[in-house]
Amino acid sequence: QKEVEQNSGPLSVPEGAIASLNCTYSDRVSQSFFWYRQYSGKSPELIMSIYSNGDKEDGRFTAQLNKASQYVSLLIRDSQPSDSATYLCAVKRNNRLAFGKGNQVVVIP
Amino acid sequence: GAVVSQHPSWVICKSGTSVKIECRSLDFQATTMFWYRQFPKQSLMLMATSNEGSKATYEQGVEKDKFLINHASLTLSTLTVTSAHPEDSSFYICSARVGRAAESGELFFGEGSRLTVL
Repeated sequence: QKEVEQNSGPLSVPEGAIASLNCTYSDRVSQSFFWYRQYSGKSPELIMSIYSNGDKEDGRFTAQLNKASQYVSLLIRDSQPSDSATYLCAVKRNNRLAFGKGNQVVVIP
Repeated sequence: GAVVSQHPSWVICKSGTSVKIECRSLDFQATTMFWYRQFPKQSLMLMATSNEGSKATYEQGVEKDKFLINHASLTLSTLTVTSAHPEDSSFYICSARVGRAAESGELFFGEGSRLTVL
């Protein structure tokens, strides 16, 4: 089982709609969770961090964490063309970050 | 915010040559830096943890003699790909933690260096 798993395949959403991304992780003792955005050819940039169960909102982004089910999700409200990117889920384990493969999001104007 | 600067942003070299990539923390001291590698459409894979003043810690399967890491100061870590081959062509990214983020695990990334070995 991979440390961090994300759904495969690009996600196409109309402009203004909600994009929903999911991520599961294998190590139950993980405590820190992150979502990074990566534009094509660029390095990742942090957009959300979450450490406790529940929801955390920051602008149009909402991260949701459920430690019992070992999943973390990201919602992007009012999706904009500039949100088109690959979103990487990362989980802290043993003092290092493990990354998922990423979800490509395409926002269609 | 904290800035991690990486150089060069891209490099093309012949097979068998060595390439050095620099990673600098511009406005903070980084005792630990992390080197990742990313192949097209793949995830970031941690190669090694660079520790200032001591030997780097390499992940399983990463050849320490091929990927030389030096972290001689609190603001500079270098990765040297020795005797590069086409299969080493990849996107290399360094990262560091800052301040309180060091406890949470949050990473700041450099711009990345795209290596193409002919």
